[in-house]
Amino acid sequence: QQQVKQSPQSLIVQKGGISIINCAYENTAFDYFPWYQQFPGKGPALLIAIRPDVSEKKEGRFTISFNKSAKQFSLHIMDSQPGDSATYFCAASYAGGTSYGKLTFGQGTILTVHP
Amino acid sequence: DAGVTQSPTHLIKTRGQQVTLRCSPKSGHDTVSWYQQALGQGPQFIFQYYEEEERQRGNFPDRFSGHQFPNYSSELNVNALLLGDSALYLCASSHRSAGKQYFGPGTRLTVT
Repeated sequence: QQQVKQSPQSLIVQKGGISIINCAYENTAFDYFPWYQQFPGKGPALLIAIRPDVSEKKEGRFTISFNKSAKQFSLHIMDSQPGDSATYFCAASYAGGTSYGKLTFGQGTILTVHP
Repeated sequence: DAGVTQSPTHLIKTRGQQVTLRCSPKSGHDTVSWYQQALGQGPQFIFQYYEEEERQRGNFPDRFSGHQFPNYSSELNVNALLLGDSALYLCASSHRSAGKQYFGPGTRLTVT
């Protein structure tokens, strides 16, 4: 069962533009929502994460918006740069019960920023 | 401060063989999780080790097994390799089982 759905599959943005990637989850027990950036041949790198007690978190050019009632969250990349070109994954996990922080990932979004 | 390290970087095996992948967690971390990432897909959780015990397992067959050592490093073993086991195997470490997970560079396994 796919528990985290990510869209779009690919995204092309001009330099300086805003990149927006969306995710939707099903399991209401999820309480931790990180975003990872992955370059070809590398492991995913933690970008930013949010917990459901806040609706927005900003770190530099990266912002997570969280809508608990809609079970959706999104990543906004402001002033997108060619160096941001990578694959982005949303993920979700919960610390309760027996999950022990297991991350469930979305399918990924390939972002291309044109100079 | 060294991050998560994995070895080897690349590995080519023949169908039916066995393979062992290794992971050293980030300094200060005590929990190791393993993920399988097929080409063009998001990582899939295999299992997690904490205090030298398997704490949780994803939807993977018993051919996948692991171990955690007293120094928190970990091994992933896969027996009776199938062509479909070809993937990037990622190790992630964290402090305690629910902390932020930091990934290593992965081991690219090719089964021929």
